[in-house]
Amino acid sequence: GAGVSQSPSNKVTEKGKDVELRCDPISGHTALYWYRQRLGQGLEFLIYFQGNSAPDKSGLPSDRFSAERTGESVSTLTIQRTQQEDSAVYLCASSLAVGNEQFFGPGTRLTVL
Amino acid sequence: AQSVSQHNHHVILSEAASLELGCNYSYGGTVNLFWYVQYPGQHLQLLLKYFSGDPLVKGIKGFEAEFIKSKFSFNLRKPSVQWSDTAEYFCAVMIYNQGGKLIFGQGTELSVKP
Repeated sequence: GAGVSQSPSNKVTEKGKDVELRCDPISGHTALYWYRQRLGQGLEFLIYFQGNSAPDKSGLPSDRFSAERTGESVSTLTIQRTQQEDSAVYLCASSLAVGNEQFFGPGTRLTVL
Repeated sequence: AQSVSQHNHHVILSEAASLELGCNYSYGGTVNLFWYVQYPGQHLQLLLKYFSGDPLVKGIKGFEAEFIKSKFSFNLRKPSVQWSDTAEYFCAVMIYNQGGKLIFGQGTELSVKP
């Protein structure tokens, strides 16, 4: 595709349920990043993948958060046992390589009731 | 911990006014610097970036930013704003050799009155 795509665009879930968010990066981009934007705040780094290297998970806020990426394609961000403070827009970005310009997707708005 | 600070949360200007949005970061080493913009209902997109060289960088739509290393600043400027510049603006820093993760400021919402 022409840009980074994310699904779903909106997700409403009940506290305690698990959710899975998906990101399709731009074809050929080896680096993929996940960020979170809480209401009224800037973007907060969560995790990034670069090729087949071990991911940098330093931004994940708790062990309820995990992410996977298959090769240089799709990535999924999973949040287990969701809490109300997990409500945010989750943004995915990709770049040709680490250090290059990042292209952002439209985000997934997660609401935990 | 490294951080990025944007001085203004919400700026309101009339068309043709000049714009300057402040951005300061806290890190003493080598950085790459970015300004991103998010127009209403659209994706975050890159306005301009600084990696090295001339500290005055020009971006799209008439925007420019100046990197002042001694002040740890990367302020965004535009001499004459338009109504279509209404958007949220984010400053971001990439720490050299710490992977490509971006550290973002809180964002500045710009409203331009026609």
